[in-house]
Amino acid sequence: EILLTQSPGTLSLSPGERATLSCKASRSVMSDYLAWFQQKTGQAPRLLIYGASRRATGIPDRFTGSGSGTDFTLTISGVEAEDFATYYCQHYAGAPWSFGGGTKVEI
Amino acid sequence: QVRLVQSGAELKRPGASVKISCKTSGYMFNNYVLHWVRQAPGQRPEWMGWISGISGKTQYAQQFQGRVTFTRDTSVRDTSAATVYMDLNSLSLEDTAVYYCARATTWLPLDVWGQGTLVTVSS
Repeated sequence: EILLTQSPGTLSLSPGERATLSCKASRSVMSDYLAWFQQKTGQAPRLLIYGASRRATGIPDRFTGSGSGTDFTLTISGVEAEDFATYYCQHYAGAPWSFGGGTKVEI
Repeated sequence: QVRLVQSGAELKRPGASVKISCKTSGYMFNNYVLHWVRQAPGQRPEWMGWISGISGKTQYAQQFQGRVTFTRDTSVRDTSAATVYMDLNSLSLEDTAVYYCARATTWLPLDVWGQGTLVTVSS
């Protein structure tokens, strides 16, 4: 089983600032099958990035995914008010799938 | 429009079973796998397993083996419509969570989600 560790746990930012979120895997994620999700309170997670760096349909280009192997990063180039939420990384490189513990981006 | 619509909230006693439905529409059901993910209050999402649209084959996360069953009901006439079910038995207080269905392919994970179904287990 691949364990995913996210850091930091909480990121306090002002609108317009750059957000850098980290996700480290306990072993290499095959084919870079790593995704990022955004979740707001009371809502289902929303797919942002898949394949480590591909934006899902309709996702603004201020969201960028990068990395490979065991180290992955989600960057938000200029945080907007609607981006304050919890972000999870998730691997889908074979069962069992797993999610990281999340990074909360707050004002 | 692609939609996954789940059944409503449930309140169950410890030891009981719960069956949640996920009605799909707007896409070719056979081309996707349907996953189930749950999220306890304040916790990270937890993957439960999947069911294949085309074959009905299933795979379950080890911690749910023997306690969960996924099934599907497809329409002969409309290949874009189907209902998938998640049956979880021997419920305990720790099963209190929001349960989600979400579709995926090999290379595109969980791109469309149901709205979630809250299951509360309480004595």
